[in-house]
Amino acid sequence: DAGVIQSPRHEVTEMGQEVTLRCKLISGHNSLFWYRQTMMRGLELLIYFNNNVPIDDSGMPEDRFSAKMPNASFSTLKIQPSEPRDSAVYFCASSLGPGPRDSPLHFGNGTRLTVT
Amino acid sequence: ILNVEQSPQSLHVQEGDSTNFTCSFPSSNFYALHWYRWETAKSPEALFVMTLNGDEKKKGRISATLNTKEGYSYLYIKGSQPEDSATYLCAPSDLSNQGGKLIFGQGTELSVKP
Repeated sequence: DAGVIQSPRHEVTEMGQEVTLRCKLISGHNSLFWYRQTMMRGLELLIYFNNNVPIDDSGMPEDRFSAKMPNASFSTLKIQPSEPRDSAVYFCASSLGPGPRDSPLHFGNGTRLTVT
Repeated sequence: ILNVEQSPQSLHVQEGDSTNFTCSFPSSNFYALHWYRWETAKSPEALFVMTLNGDEKKKGRISATLNTKEGYSYLYIKGSQPEDSATYLCAPSDLSNQGGKLIFGQGTELSVKP
């Protein structure tokens, strides 16, 4: 299994531009999590899905952020417009089963976003 | 929102030393607790998923215990090796939102000197 695949690995963009981060889940996994890593806050949960349905998006910073699962194996995290304070490493993780009692998270390699 | 505390923040030990770290979390509405190992320039990798009070799990030289009534978990490493150097994260969840909201602590950074 290729594991969770994130793209791009690095993204450098200018303030105000739209940024789209992509994630491919491990085949058969049905829960999907987006985390953001910063020095100040560590690993911060943005949103998670179960069976393509968003369960909790209370961690999404503001309306500039949106996440979708157009199908069971793929997700996008979009930032529009981007701001310098959005600079961080964004991780996607998937798991098998409906909740964290069932299986651990499998993380992708992350996307390092730099907004200038 | 879960308040997760890990201690110590960092730890420097010699090869062969045994060590342990603590993860503290609210004991009410406990659902599950995960431990992850995060090496520099890599992604977090799962060590343990723990759900029951009194759980003990072991993987090689690493083991963990769970006390859900008092809200803490210990991670032990026996005979530390340089390759154990990493940040160790715990992530509890509670019963809200189907229990899926894993909140990560800030981690304990372990450095093992040869």
